[in-house]
Amino acid sequence: AQKITQTQPGMFVQEKEAVTLDCTYDTSDQSYGLFWYKQPSSGEMIFLIYQGSYDEQNATEGRYSLNFQKARKSANLVISASQLGDSAMYFCAMREGQSNFGNEKLTFGTGTRLTIIP
Amino acid sequence: DAGITQSPRHKVTETGTPVTLRCHQTENHRYMYWYRQDPGHGLRLIHYSYGVKDTDKGEVSDGYSVSRSKTEDFLLTLESATSSQTSVYFCAISQGSGSNEKLFFGSGTQLSVL
Repeated sequence: AQKITQTQPGMFVQEKEAVTLDCTYDTSDQSYGLFWYKQPSSGEMIFLIYQGSYDEQNATEGRYSLNFQKARKSANLVISASQLGDSAMYFCAMREGQSNFGNEKLTFGTGTRLTIIP
Repeated sequence: DAGITQSPRHKVTETGTPVTLRCHQTENHRYMYWYRQDPGHGLRLIHYSYGVKDTDKGEVSDGYSVSRSKTEDFLLTLESATSSQTSVYFCAISQGSGSNEKLFFGSGTQLSVL
C-alpha cells in the first residue's frame, strides 16, 4: 500500500484564488511528521511546511497552511491567494516515528503539478 | 541555503561504466541522504549516512553503494550503470530538531545512462 497518496496529478487554478492540494497518508506509528515541498521548473526542492502528529494546531507558514485531519489521515496543503510563481510540482512527504535529531528518512508522494492561470 | 553542493550537475554515461556522484556540505551536519527522483515515483531514498563511515540502505539501494570518509562529503557510486538508473539524484541534509527539523536538498544531478 502507498504510504503517501496524492490523487491530483495536475491542477489548474486562477490567479488569486485559494488552492488545496490533497495528501493522504498511511502509518501505524503514533509519532510521525508530515512535510510539503515545492519543486519549480528549475528543479530544486524547497521546503514549505511541517506538521507533527502531536501538534494540535494546523501549521501555517505565510500563505501556506496545512489542513491536518488526523482521524482521516489527511494533510492537505492550502495556498491562499495564489500567485503565478506558485506554479510548480508539490510533494507531500512523511517521516514515520519520532524525530531523532537528524534521522529524517522521508517517504514522498508522487506529486501534484499546479499551474496558476493569469 | 544549507550549504549543499552536488557535482556534477549533469552527466551522460554508457551502460556498464562506473559513476560517482558527490555531495559536499559545509555546515557539519551529521545526517546526509541520497534520493532519486523519477516520474510517477516521487523521491525515493537510496542510502543515508548518520556519521563518518556510518551508512545504511534505503528503499531502492540495489545497484548503489555509498561512502562517507569525512563529515562534509557523501559519495554515491553506481558500480556498473544501467539504463534504469537514469534519474535525477538529490542529496539532502537534516537541519534543526524536533518540530523545526527538516530536510534541505541540493540542486540535483541529472544522470543519463545510454
